[in-house]
Amino acid sequence: KQEVTQIPAALSVPEGENLVLNCSFTDSAIYNLQWFRQDPGKGLTSLLLIQSSQREQTSGRLNASLDKSSGRSTLYIAASQPGDSATYLCAVDTDKLIFGTGTRLQVFP
Amino acid sequence: NAGVTQTPKFQVLKTGQSMTLQCAQDMNHNSMYWYRQDPGMGLRLIYYSASEGTTDKGEVPNGYNVSRLNKREFSLRLESAAPSQTSVYFCASSEATQRNTIYFGEGSWLTVV
Repeated sequence: KQEVTQIPAALSVPEGENLVLNCSFTDSAIYNLQWFRQDPGKGLTSLLLIQSSQREQTSGRLNASLDKSSGRSTLYIAASQPGDSATYLCAVDTDKLIFGTGTRLQVFP
Repeated sequence: NAGVTQTPKFQVLKTGQSMTLQCAQDMNHNSMYWYRQDPGMGLRLIYYSASEGTTDKGEVPNGYNVSRLNKREFSLRLESAAPSQTSVYFCASSEATQRNTIYFGEGSWLTVV
């Protein structure tokens, strides 16, 4: 059974820091991996989708990498801002999306 | 930019009552989903519809039924609500079930007392 783990569960950093969020999964037979952002009381917004054949995807200050063989993905956020404060979830796509429990990020001024 | 719209936003039910959560998407997507989100559990798939006219069980289907009314609409029904169904429910859609970005609604907060 596919299991997705995100560490740390919570992270608090000062503005301007570069940071890395981690996602690990137990079964490498995936179609893709997605990173989402969730603001309090809101739905999920897709940030990046990495196909299983790809190694990384970039969008603005966000860069996500995928190492399927080791069952790991990282989300790199450059020059963090208070507006980046949210919960970040990863999900692996097998025949259904399996979500991690998320990393709650707080960026303080 | 409506995207995925779900109603109601908030609902309080008594144990044993029934209700239907409505979801509609305006992106002409084939696939639609219902998830529930509970603290410490992440999002878990309740039911999904790969295409109009089909529905399939997800990870936690017990106590729920769904209807894919047409390509736009996918409803979730609780026939006899239980306190264990207190949760936040999210509807989502994607162009197909695999290898596509998935779009979520804003969520429906359901409390069963």
